[in-house]
Amino acid sequence: DAGVIQSPRHEVTEMGQEVTLRCKPISGHDYLFWYRQTMMRGLELLIYFNNNVPIDDSGMPEDRFSAKMPNASFSTLKIQPSEPRDSAVYFCASSLASLAGGQTDTQYFGPGTRLTVL
Amino acid sequence: AQSVAQPEDQVNVAEGNPLTVKCTYSVSGNPYLFWYVQYPNRGLQFLLKYITGDNLVKGSYGFEAEFNKSQTSFHLKKPSALVSDSALYFCAVRPNTGTASKLTFGTGTRLQVTL
Repeated sequence: DAGVIQSPRHEVTEMGQEVTLRCKPISGHDYLFWYRQTMMRGLELLIYFNNNVPIDDSGMPEDRFSAKMPNASFSTLKIQPSEPRDSAVYFCASSLASLAGGQTDTQYFGPGTRLTVL
Repeated sequence: AQSVAQPEDQVNVAEGNPLTVKCTYSVSGNPYLFWYVQYPNRGLQFLLKYITGDNLVKGSYGFEAEFNKSQTSFHLKKPSALVSDSALYFCAVRPNTGTASKLTFGTGTRLQVTL
């Protein structure tokens, strides 16, 4: 398997512009997670989906952030409008629910998108 | 609420020496515990996990971790460090009940192995 795929790997944009980050989870995985990593705040969970449905978006910083998962093989994280403080590395991860019922196991991370907002 | 503490920002060890990266946790009920490693400009990679059973868990690249319920710890260990082990290590926890799948990560410990 190719693993979790994220695009773009690097994004440089100007303040106020819309940014869209993309993720393709591992085939067959039914959980998808979006994380943000910064030096100041470490690794933060933004939102996660189960079977394409958002389960917990309590980590989304504000209304400028939105995430969608239109199908099992694709998710987007959008920032509109972007601000310099959004500069970070954004990771997508996926996992498979265990046979025990509804509980996820190991999360597999993508390589990340490094976002710089000028 | 669940939480993870990694008390050391950085651990320095000479190649060939044993290494320990510390992790303590707080969670309601029994935990699922994980260690991940992050190399520069890469995503996190799974190393090992404790779900149930034997308190000593063996993982990738010769790493192991010991679950200690009374001390609520899950320290990562390796008998003989390699320079290539130098990376950022994250401990993570979630409760083993319910359907919530939210992992809580520690702040990370940078391991530096020198010749």
